[in-house]
Amino acid sequence: AQSVTQLGSHVSVSEGALVLLRCNYSSSVPPYLFWYVQYPNQGLQLLLKYTTGATLVKGINGFEAEFKKSETSFHLTKPSAHMSDAAEYFCAVSDMPDKIIFGKGTRLHILP
Amino acid sequence: SQTIHQWPATLVQPVGSPLSLECTVEGTSNPNLYWYRQAAGRGLQLLFYSVGIGQISSEVPQNLSASRPQDRQFILSSKKLLLSDSGFYLCASNRVANYGYTFGSGTRLTVV
Repeated sequence: AQSVTQLGSHVSVSEGALVLLRCNYSSSVPPYLFWYVQYPNQGLQLLLKYTTGATLVKGINGFEAEFKKSETSFHLTKPSAHMSDAAEYFCAVSDMPDKIIFGKGTRLHILP
Repeated sequence: SQTIHQWPATLVQPVGSPLSLECTVEGTSNPNLYWYRQAAGRGLQLLFYSVGIGQISSEVPQNLSASRPQDRQFILSSKKLLLSDSGFYLCASNRVANYGYTFGSGTRLTVV
């Protein structure tokens, strides 16, 4: 069965510092992997997704994630944090075309 | 591209009152449709999904029900709200055989 584990429900980084949000997944077949961002009182917006091909995926707002099959990981990174990056981030996995399983989310705080 | 409309944006209802939340989709036909609930600190909980008109799958037994009277309309209902029904309700859509969801902007429900 699919599952997603996001390490750390809250992560704080200084403005300009590296952002690293961790995600590990479990899937019985090659998965499709996603990162979504949610700003307060809004819906979720797709940041990036991995389907097949290149394992380093670039998304919007300068974020990228790398699919590492051997580590069953799909960590999200951004070289330099901005105040506007403060939000909640969800990792998700799908190995079926009609259902996606979400992690519990990581709230990212940016320190001035 | 798809657009999902959800209303109302916020709702305060007394315990025991009925509920009807509506979600409509533009820009696609025959989508899979989903209702999620997001409670504080508990991530995204899939409540219902539908692969077609009149076809509803319930993920979690509860006080809520869903209906899909038209291809691009998905309704979440309750006959009598409980305090525990409070939360942020999100509608999502994906095109059949296309991975990744589009989300609506959500409805904040407070049961008092």
